[in-house]
Amino acid sequence: EAGVTQFPSHSVIEKGQTVTLRCDPISGHDNLYWYRRVMGKEIKFLLHFVKESKQDESGMPNNRFLAERTGGTYSTLKVQPAELEDSGVYFCASSPHRGNNGYTFGSGTRLTVV
Amino acid sequence: DAKTTQPPSMDCAEGRAANLPCNHSTISGNEYVYWYRQIHSQGPQYIIHGLKNNETNEMASLIITEDRKSSTLILPHATLRDTAVYYCIVRVAYYGGSQGNLIFGKGTKLSVKP
Repeated sequence: EAGVTQFPSHSVIEKGQTVTLRCDPISGHDNLYWYRRVMGKEIKFLLHFVKESKQDESGMPNNRFLAERTGGTYSTLKVQPAELEDSGVYFCASSPHRGNNGYTFGSGTRLTVV
Repeated sequence: DAKTTQPPSMDCAEGRAANLPCNHSTISGNEYVYWYRQIHSQGPQYIIHGLKNNETNEMASLIITEDRKSSTLILPHATLRDTAVYYCIVRVAYYGGSQGNLIFGKGTKLSVKP
């Protein structure tokens, strides 16, 4: 089966611009998660979708970040306007609705804000 | 904050077993122990998980102490490709509902040497 796909793999934008990251989960996985690692820090949870609904968005840093998952398939994470401290690697992961198996992570999007 | 404690780094000779310890003294009865690893800048990769019994799969073995306050991940024959940061994570088990998020700590940087 295809894994979790993230696009783009790299993005360099100027401060104040907008960037949209995309994640395609494994087909049939109801759970979709966004995580990120900023320079020198641990990987941090951002939010969790169950199908198209936001189950937990307690990790979203501020209102410059907007995540959507229309139709319960792929998800987008928009940063508007981007700030320097948003630079880092953004990971997406998915898992089936039931069970306690591990998540499958994508390769991430490396975002650099200059 | 992460509920686990791991040594920051370990070395292992190629072909030998790598034993990675993890302390989770405050683990609750309904929390699983998960292990993930991150190779270089790739996305985290699920390895194995367990509740109270020892577990084994094609990648590794997980030994959980009887009091569940610590565990050890065993890579039976480490190769150079196993060089990575290994994360031990505890997470509440979900029964019949959706899964929750993961809290990553700093992990153990395992270096497999020829």
